[in-house]
Amino acid sequence: DTGVSQNPRHKITKRGQNVTFRCDPISEHNRLYWYRQTLGQGPEFLTYFQNEAQLEKSRLLSDRFSAERPKGSFSTLEIQRTEQGDSAMYLCASSLVGGSTFFGQGTRLTVV
Amino acid sequence: AQTVTQSQPEMSVQEAETVTLSCTYDTSESDYYLFWYKQPPSRQMILVIRQEAYKQQNATENRFSVNFQKAAKSFSLKISDSQLGDAAMYFCAYRSTYSGGGADGLTFGKGTHLIIQP
Repeated sequence: DTGVSQNPRHKITKRGQNVTFRCDPISEHNRLYWYRQTLGQGPEFLTYFQNEAQLEKSRLLSDRFSAERPKGSFSTLEIQRTEQGDSAMYLCASSLVGGSTFFGQGTRLTVV
Repeated sequence: AQTVTQSQPEMSVQEAETVTLSCTYDTSESDYYLFWYKQPPSRQMILVIRQEAYKQQNATENRFSVNFQKAAKSFSLKISDSQLGDAAMYFCAYRSTYSGGGADGLTFGKGTHLIIQP
C-alpha cells in the first residue's frame, strides 16, 4: 500500500443523478477525511472518520451529501440529486491521530 | 474559526534561485500545526513540510525550509536551488490540536502558483 487511492478518477454525470466515490486510505491510518476543491481554491474540509465513527459531519455541504466508512477501512462519499454546482474535485485523505495528512489523487466530478 | 491567507496568487523564480512564499493565519489557539502542501497540475496534493506551533525551531526538509513567526502568525516557505519540478500550486494549511467542530480538518489558503523559469 503506497498511498491513498480514489476511484473513479473522473466522473461525468447528468444533473439529478446520484454519484458515489470510493476512497481506500493508507492501511494503518485510522482517520479518513473528505475535502472538496473547486477551481482556484484550496481544499475545503467536509467530514472525517476515526475508524468507523463519523466524528464530524457539520461541514457537509447539504443533506444531499453523505459519507460512510462501514468497517473502518475504505469510505464512500455519495452525492444525491447532483447539481451543476457540485462540479469539483473531491479529495480523500488519511492520517494517524496527531499525524500528518496524506491525500489521494482525487475524483473530478463534472455535472452536465 | 481559523483563517489562512496567502497573499501571493503567483510567484516566478529562475531555476537554481531561491524563492519565499508567504502565509499568514489567524487563530486564538496556542497549540496547532502548520503545513505546506504542493499540488502539481492534475496531480495529487503532496506534503512538503510540517511545523508544530510549540516548537521554536523552524522545520527543514532538504531544499525546503520555513520561517515560523508565532507572534506575527506568519509561516513562510523558502525553496532553495529551485528546480523545474518545483513548479506547482503551493498551499499553506492549518490544523488545530483540539477536536470537534471541524477542528480536526485542515484549513487551507487559496494557494500560490509557483512558476520556475528555466
